[in-house]
Parts: sequence; C-alpha cells; structure tokens
Amino acid sequence: GNSVTQMEGPVTLSEEAFLTINCTYTATGYPSLFWYVQYPGEGLQLLLKATKADDKGSNKGFEATYRKETTSFHLEKGSVQVSDSAVYFCALAPMTTDSWGKLQFGAGTQVVVTP
Amino acid sequence: SQTIHQWPATLVQPVGSPLSLECTVEGTSNPNLYWYRQAAGRGLQLLFYSVGIGQISSEVPQNLSASRPQDRQFILSSKKLLLSDSGFYLCAWGRGAAYEQYFGPGTRLTVT
Repeated sequence: GNSVTQMEGPVTLSEEAFLTINCTYTATGYPSLFWYVQYPGEGLQLLLKATKADDKGSNKGFEATYRKETTSFHLEKGSVQVSDSAVYFCALAPMTTDSWGKLQFGAGTQVVVTP
Repeated sequence: SQTIHQWPATLVQPVGSPLSLECTVEGTSNPNLYWYRQAAGRGLQLLFYSVGIGQISSEVPQNLSASRPQDRQFILSSKKLLLSDSGFYLCAWGRGAAYEQYFGPGTRLTVT
C-alpha cells in the first residue's frame, strides 16, 4: 500500500538556522507529493507540491525536490523565522483511477523556532 | 478564487447529543470533498469523501455519517456523540491533475 514516513519531532532550532524535515514514501507508479503546514488552531495550508520526478516545489523560502530514486521529498528552508513554528505534513496522492484524490499523510513534524 | 468555510468554529456538546457540522465551498464546481478528524496529537484520519452529490464513501466504521445535499455542501453528523468523538474536524476540497486538497479552518469539538 501507500505510506508516508516523516521524521519525528519536535524539531527545535534557533532563528536563522537551516531546517530540514525528512520525508520518504512508498507508492506504486508516480504519485504527486505535497507539503502542508498547520499553524496552531488552524487548518492545513498547502505549502508546495511536485508532480513528477526531479520537480522542485518552492514557496515562502521552502523547497522540496521529488526524488524518485530515493523515494524522498525532503523539506528545506535556509533561514527559519519564529513565524515558521508549526506542524509540517508530508503527503502523497497516488494518482490511480481508484484513489479518488485521497491523500496519504505522514504523521506530521512539529517545528519550534526560538528567537 | 476558491474559499472553504466551516462552522461552527468551536463546539462543546454532552455525550449522547446529536452533531451537525457544515462545510461549504465557493468558487469551484463539482469538487471532491473530504472530512478528516485530527485527535490530540497531530495525525489526520480521513473519515469520509465524496466525489459528487449524494455519493459518500466511508473510510472508517464509527457513529458518524456524512451527507452532500448540494454540490458544494458537505455535512458531518452524528445521532449520539461519544467522548471519543472529541477532536478537530477538518473539511477539504480537491480537484485538479495533482489532486491537491485545500482545507477549511476546522471545527474544534469537545464532547463532555
């Protein structure tokens, strides 16, 4: 079946530090991959996406590259801010005819950025 | 642009009482619609999804039900709430080649 594995948190780092959140997946075919962010008390926001191998998604200083050979989609940001404190979810869409657009989510990684 | 609304934002209900949560989407037509629950912690559990009016699929057995009376309206219901129904309920809509989903602001449900 399809699955997404994320590094466990919380990840605590200082402002302006480099952030990496690892995400690996298991899926048949060529899924679409996503990163979502959830701020406290809010719904999930789509942060970035990639739909094919070697695609790089980017948004708000965050980047992730779809690596088919390592089945990974790691999220990176070069210099984090306190406002980046949130829970980050990696997700995949199987892109099969019977998937009905259902997403497979990872467990989420909490990121805490201190001043 | 598309927007998704959920209400109420928060709800406190006694055990055994009924539940009705509503979700509406604006700015798109014939979206796929989804209900998720997020219990304490962070994981998301898909409860129901719908690909069209009156078409509901359940992902997990429970005392909840869902309905889609209109193209852009999705309702989550229960006849009798359990303590274990407490959580953060999220509605999402999806469409497009990449199947990305867009989430509403959520409803915080506390069953006492």
